[in-house]
Amino acid sequence: DAGVIQSPRHEVTEMGQEVTLRCKPISGHNSLFWYRQTMMRGLELLIYFNNNVPIDDSGMPEDRFSAKMPNASFSTLKIQPSEPRDSAVYFCASSLGTPNEKLFFGSGTQLSVL
Amino acid sequence: GNSVTQMEGPVTLSEEAFLTINCTYTATGYPSLFWYVQYPGEGLQLLLKATKADDKGSNKGFEATYRKETTSFHLEKGSVQVSDSAVYFCALSDNTNAGKSTFGDGTTLTVKP
Repeated sequence: DAGVIQSPRHEVTEMGQEVTLRCKPISGHNSLFWYRQTMMRGLELLIYFNNNVPIDDSGMPEDRFSAKMPNASFSTLKIQPSEPRDSAVYFCASSLGTPNEKLFFGSGTQLSVL
Repeated sequence: GNSVTQMEGPVTLSEEAFLTINCTYTATGYPSLFWYVQYPGEGLQLLLKATKADDKGSNKGFEATYRKETTSFHLEKGSVQVSDSAVYFCALSDNTNAGKSTFGDGTTLTVKP
């Protein structure tokens, strides 16, 4: 398996623009997680899905952030409009979705909002 | 709620030195405990895990023992190498959610030749 695939690897955009990050989880995995990593806040869980259904979005910072999982093999995280403080590395991770299972992380998307 | 507290970094060691990174946790029920490692420019990857009290996880010379009485899962390695330089995250996954994990803040390790 190719692992968790994220795109793009790097994104540079201007404040106010819409940004869409994409994730393809490992086939057969039932849970998908979006994390944000910054020096100041460390690794933050934004939202997670189980069987394509959002379970907990309490980590989504503002209404500017939204996430979807239209099917088992694809998820998006959208920021509209983007702001400089959204600059971070965004990770997608997937797991089998059963309790106590490890996570498999993608390589991340480095987002810079100018 | 669940929480993980890691030893603050950064940690700088000379090659072949002994490594300990402390980790304590708070959780309900019987969580599984993990150490993940993140190399520069990459995502986190599992280093080792333990699923019940007194279990020892080990991989690539690293070890950690699940201590329920002290709610700890300290990471150790007897002789570090330059290639071990990375950020290390302690995490727990409880048995009540769909694989949701709680992570510590991460500890940056730099090993000098």
